[in-house]
Amino acid sequence: DGGITQSPKYLFRKEGQNVTLSCEQNLNHDAMYWYRQDPGQGLRLIYYSQIVNDFQKGDIAEGYSVSREKKESFPLTVTSAQKNPTAFYLCASSIGGGSFYEQYFGPGTRLTVT
Amino acid sequence: LAKTTQPISMDSYEGQEVNITCSHNNIATNDYITWYQQFPSQGPRFIIQGYKTKVTNEVASLFIPADRKSSTLSLPRVSLSDTAVYYCLVGVGGSGNTGKLIFGQGTTLQVKP
Repeated sequence: DGGITQSPKYLFRKEGQNVTLSCEQNLNHDAMYWYRQDPGQGLRLIYYSQIVNDFQKGDIAEGYSVSREKKESFPLTVTSAQKNPTAFYLCASSIGGGSFYEQYFGPGTRLTVT
Repeated sequence: LAKTTQPISMDSYEGQEVNITCSHNNIATNDYITWYQQFPSQGPRFIIQGYKTKVTNEVASLFIPADRKSSTLSLPRVSLSDTAVYYCLVGVGGSGNTGKLIFGQGTTLQVKP
């Protein structure tokens, strides 16, 4: 089955620790994205990548970092510099980088930092 | 990217047709209109996309008037499982675009028995 996997589903960390969220896709999509969602809010774009070894900041990139060494993988690191890291994190991918293209979302990772 | 405005919430009953209208007064010539559905604790799912007039698929219809300043998502004969948040997005298609989607608060549709 083709799709996007995110792991783990739930993640708990202590304040001050960096944490890396996994995102893998086997859809052969060029573009990948990371979003953050807070309760009762829409999604906000953190980082996106239109091609391997290239990525751009989204609207709320501060305190986050990414890498895109392989087409199928786009891990997100939440650093200790992120002031309010507790949130629901969603990874997505699409065939192309235009917003015209349907984005396929993973199941999400709920991160809780205490 | 064009800003969109849609109702915060709507209620309906099973079997009814539901129409959710989205306003996008500043839509640009190259912009497409896309709707996503999101269930709690899941990622959004693409429902339908259109540029003008009417688009229909197995799930919904999308009506876009000639001026394209608004659009209406129509869900025929809703069931309890259609209870979700529906997002209207407007963005530019084609290569060279970032793929940046702006999700507003969406419309929370509650379907009652």
